[in-house]
Amino acid sequence: EVQLVESGGGLIQPGGSLRLSCAASGFTVSSNSMSWVRQAPGKGLEWVSVISSGGTIYYADSVKGRFTMSRDNSKNTLFLQMNSLRAEDTAVYYCGARTVPTGLADCWGQGTLVTVSS
Amino acid sequence: QSVLTQPPSASGTPGQRVTISCSGSSSNIGSNVVNWYQHLPGTAPKLLIYSNNQRPSGVPDRFSGSNSGTSASLAISGLQSEDETDYYCAAWDDSLKGYVFGTGTKVTVL
Repeated sequence: EVQLVESGGGLIQPGGSLRLSCAASGFTVSSNSMSWVRQAPGKGLEWVSVISSGGTIYYADSVKGRFTMSRDNSKNTLFLQMNSLRAEDTAVYYCGARTVPTGLADCWGQGTLVTVSS
Repeated sequence: QSVLTQPPSASGTPGQRVTISCSGSSSNIGSNVVNWYQHLPGTAPKLLIYSNNQRPSGVPDRFSGSNSGTSASLAISGLQSEDETDYYCAAWDDSLKGYVFGTGTKVTVL
C-alpha cells in the first residue's frame, strides 16, 4: 500500500527557513514523479514543485529561488527546503506521488501545516 | 493565480447529476491531460479522474471526466451527501512549465 507521511511543519518567523519531509512506503520515490502542493487558509490548492523520476525539477513562480525540492533515495524520502519564508507561504503542504501513467499525483499525504508569522 | 477557471459553486439534490466545468487554454488543457481531485480541506486530496477520463480503482463510476478543446468537465451522477466538498481540476501548463490547478468548485447537496 502506498503511504506518504509529511513532517517538519510549524510556526516560523518571516524570513526564516523550514525543511519539510515526506517519508514514502509501498513504492520507490526515485522511480516516480513526486510533487508538493499547498493550500493557504481559505484558498484553493496551489501547485508548488515537482520532481520527475529522472530528477528534473520544476517550481511555481511564487517559490522559485526560495524553495528547493530534493529526494534521498536511501531513505525513500522527499524534501522541501523552504527559505526566506513569507506570510503568504502559510499553508498546509501536501506531498504527492504519481503511480498512474500521466498527470499530477494520485496518492497524497495528510499534510503538514506551515505558519509564517511574527 | 489560477489559470484554470471553474465555477465557484454547484449544487443538486440527492440522485441528481452535477457537472463542473474547467476552462483553460491551448498551453494547458488544450495540449495536456487533466486530473480531477476531490478535496476536504485539511485532509489528503483524492484523485477522481486522471488522463481526462480514467478512473483509478476504487473510484465509483458515478464520477466521469471529459474534454473538449481547451475545456474539461467532471460529472457526478447519482449525487450523494458524501459528495459535498471541494473539487479541483489540474493540468500541466507548457508555457508556465508547471502544473496549474483550477479555482475550485464547492459542491452542495441540497
